[in-house]
Amino acid sequence: GQNIDQPTEMTATEGAIVQINCTYQTSGFNGLFWYQQHAGEAPTFLSYNVLDGLEEKGRFSSFLSRSKGYSYLLLKELQMKDSASYLCAAMDSNYQLIWGAGTKLIIKP
Amino acid sequence: DAMVIQNPRYQVTQFGKPVTLSCSQTLNHNVMYWYQQKSSQAPKLLFHYYDKDFNNEADTPDNFQSRRPNTSFCFLDIRSPGLGDAAMYLCATSTGPSGANVLTFGAGSRLTVL
Repeated sequence: GQNIDQPTEMTATEGAIVQINCTYQTSGFNGLFWYQQHAGEAPTFLSYNVLDGLEEKGRFSSFLSRSKGYSYLLLKELQMKDSASYLCAAMDSNYQLIWGAGTKLIIKP
Repeated sequence: DAMVIQNPRYQVTQFGKPVTLSCSQTLNHNVMYWYQQKSSQAPKLLFHYYDKDFNNEADTPDNFQSRRPNTSFCFLDIRSPGLGDAAMYLCATSTGPSGANVLTFGAGSRLTVL
């Protein structure tokens, strides 16, 4: 079957760095997405990886290893507004998104 | 600004009383999606349209129906809401099936069933 695994919750301190991991199993693979979702709001797109390696975008970076079925989202210089859920989603061979349940990130002062 | 707009943002209904949620988009995207999301769970795809081609997910209950009268609008009808249908309903759009198929979401419609 197709599956996404990511931690349910993580806690970090303002100004620090946090890495949110995601492992996936899909029938074929057409890329890995990260979305941010604040409580009670819609998801917003953060990043897309289809090739192995690290993609950096400001304070956020996303990494992909296709051979390991593994990705992570790295958030640097954490701010209180980064408190949100972070959803990992993998696209299968039919271009369907398989979603994780999200990692709730709690930022403490 | 081009966007995806959902109405209503909050909907309260009684058990068994039909509900219609609407979604409009100004992005001119070919694909429109309806997702159901319950607290701390992954979004669950209910339907999607590629242009007018309707795609029903295999496990979407018959209680849910959808209409896309034109490119810009899409509706989700819940014929007889049950307590288990209380959730956030998310509409999303994209340009079409491709690798970098980024979804743009509306703000969501939160349904409460009494």
